[in-house]
Formats: sequence, C-alpha cells, structure tokens
Amino acid sequence: AQSVTQLDSQVPVFEEAPVELRCNYSSSVSVYLFWYVQYPNQGLQLLLKYLSGSTLVKGINGFEAEFNKSQTSFHLRKPSVHISDTAEYFCAVTGTGAQKLVFGQGTRLTINP
Amino acid sequence: DTEVTQTPKHLVMGMTNKKSLKCEQHMGHRAMYWYKQKAKKPPELMFVYSYEKLSINESVPSRFSPECPNSSLLNLHLHALQPEDSALYLCASRDRGGSPLHFGNGTRLTVT
Repeated sequence: AQSVTQLDSQVPVFEEAPVELRCNYSSSVSVYLFWYVQYPNQGLQLLLKYLSGSTLVKGINGFEAEFNKSQTSFHLRKPSVHISDTAEYFCAVTGTGAQKLVFGQGTRLTINP
Repeated sequence: DTEVTQTPKHLVMGMTNKKSLKCEQHMGHRAMYWYKQKAKKPPELMFVYSYEKLSINESVPSRFSPECPNSSLLNLHLHALQPEDSALYLCASRDRGGSPLHFGNGTRLTVT
C-alpha cells in the first residue's frame, strides 16, 4: 500500500516570492507521483506527473517538482508566485499498475500582495 | 474547460428524495471513478469502474448506487441520504494504470 504526507497544511507567501510545497510518500513498490491543484468550487487539475525518466518534472503554470527516491520525496516548487496561485495543492501517489490514487491531506497556498 | 463533464453543478435534496449524479467523458478512458470530498479534505475514493465493470467499492453505504451504462457514462444514484452526505462529488477518468486521473468540476450536494 502507498501513503502520502504533505508536511505543511498551510503555506503563506508574498507575491513574487519563491515557494516549496513538501510531499513525502511511502510505498513497497515502484510508484507514479502527481501534483494536483484545486481552485475554489472546482475539481482537481493536474499540475505535473512523474512516471519515469528525468527526476525533475516541469508542469503547467511555471511549477516544477523533483522526484528523490532515496528521500522518498516529491516536493513542488515555483520560483515566483502570483495571486492567482492561491489554491489547495494535493500530492498523490499510485503504485505501478494500481487503480487507486492515494492523496495527501493537502496544502493551502495563500499568496499575499 | 474540463474534459470530464458532471451534471448538475449543484443539487439540494431531502432525505427522502431519489436523485442521480451524471458524469461523461469522451477521451476513450476505460476506468472511471467517483470520489467524495468534504471541505478542507482530500478526495475520498468511493467507486472504480474498469471496462464498465465495478472493480472497487470502498465500503460505501448502499444509499449510494453507481452505474456505468457505457464506457463514456457514469452515474451515481442517491436515495435516502443523510445530512452528513453533503459534500462535493467528483468524477474522474483515466486511460490506464499509471496515467493521471482527469477530474470533472464536481457536483455540490446538499442534503436537507
């Protein structure tokens, strides 16, 4: 089975500052990793995914994440945030071939002007 | 715009009502999912259909009844719900194991 821990429930940052949202996972098998964003009153939108290959993954809206197998982490980063990045961010993991996607508890990113 | 379409966007129902939530995708995905999401929480898996057959039921109460009429459609039939069932209900689909889930915008359900 897989599990995901998002280390921060809330992250406040100022506009144009860099941000990192932390995600650690555990699994006894190889995994695929995802970051989703949820804006108010909407569904979840895929930001980026790691399936295999390069450990640095680039996604939409200027976000990127790095897969670190030894530290079982998949932290999300953005060098300069905008007010429009205010949202809930979910890290998720699935085992290769598995049907279930396991979500972390979410991190609320708040951008202050 | 989302490629997974859910209707209705909002639904208010009494505890004795029967209603249905609908989900449609035309991406050719063969796996479809129902999730329930309470405020400030991650989505909780309810059901998974794979090739139109129910493959996962996460011990969901029988007042929720899923149906997959064909590979593009997924329904969730609701009957005798409780106020604590009020939540955002999300539908999702995926191509194959390992590929990401594509979510609809959800149905906001309120049970009175």
